[in-house]
Amino acid sequence: EAGVAQSPRYKIIEKRQSVAFWCNPISGHATLYWYQQILGQGPKLLIQFQNNGVVDDSQLPKDRFSAERLKGVDSTLKIQPAKLEDSAVYLCASSVGQLNTEAFFGQGTRLTVV
Amino acid sequence: KQEVTQIPAALSVPEGENLVLNCSFTDSAIYNLQWFRQDPGKGLTSLLLIQSSQREQTSGRLNASLDKSSGRSTLYIAASQPGDSATYLCAVRPRPRQLTFGSGTQLTVLP
Repeated sequence: EAGVAQSPRYKIIEKRQSVAFWCNPISGHATLYWYQQILGQGPKLLIQFQNNGVVDDSQLPKDRFSAERLKGVDSTLKIQPAKLEDSAVYLCASSVGQLNTEAFFGQGTRLTVV
Repeated sequence: KQEVTQIPAALSVPEGENLVLNCSFTDSAIYNLQWFRQDPGKGLTSLLLIQSSQREQTSGRLNASLDKSSGRSTLYIAASQPGDSATYLCAVRPRPRQLTFGSGTQLTVLP
């Protein structure tokens, strides 16, 4: 069974530039998550989708971050404009459902803003 | 607000030792708890998932326990190996949505 796929693996951009990350969840998984992990910390949820609808984006900095999951499968996360403090690993995860199900994570995208 | 704490932040042990990693959470109203492993520069690998109605789960040399009433979970690693060196994260699902993570325990197993 293929896992959660993310691209790119690494990205370096200058502050104020824009960047986009892509995620393809495990086939059949209705729930998709984007997490931000700053070095030395645990992952923090940015946004959660159930199929193509947003169920939790309370911690997403909406002035610069946006995400979509148009057909309920792939998802993109965008940052525009980027700030130095956005340097982190962005992790995508998926699960079958929202409740008592296991979450599976991708390899992540390491973003460095200079 | 749910908070998850993992102690110690770092641990170094000689190969072959049995060890215990600790995780505590402030709100006992959880649906499940999941332990992950993270290697440097990599994503998270799920190790064990414990439902709120369960007390423990086992997979190979790993055993995770859950005491909801006291807000604690432990991950027991038997006969540790250098390949077990990684950061171990626990996460709780406090409501039917997000996972809330601790900051992790960085484990080094010395040959």
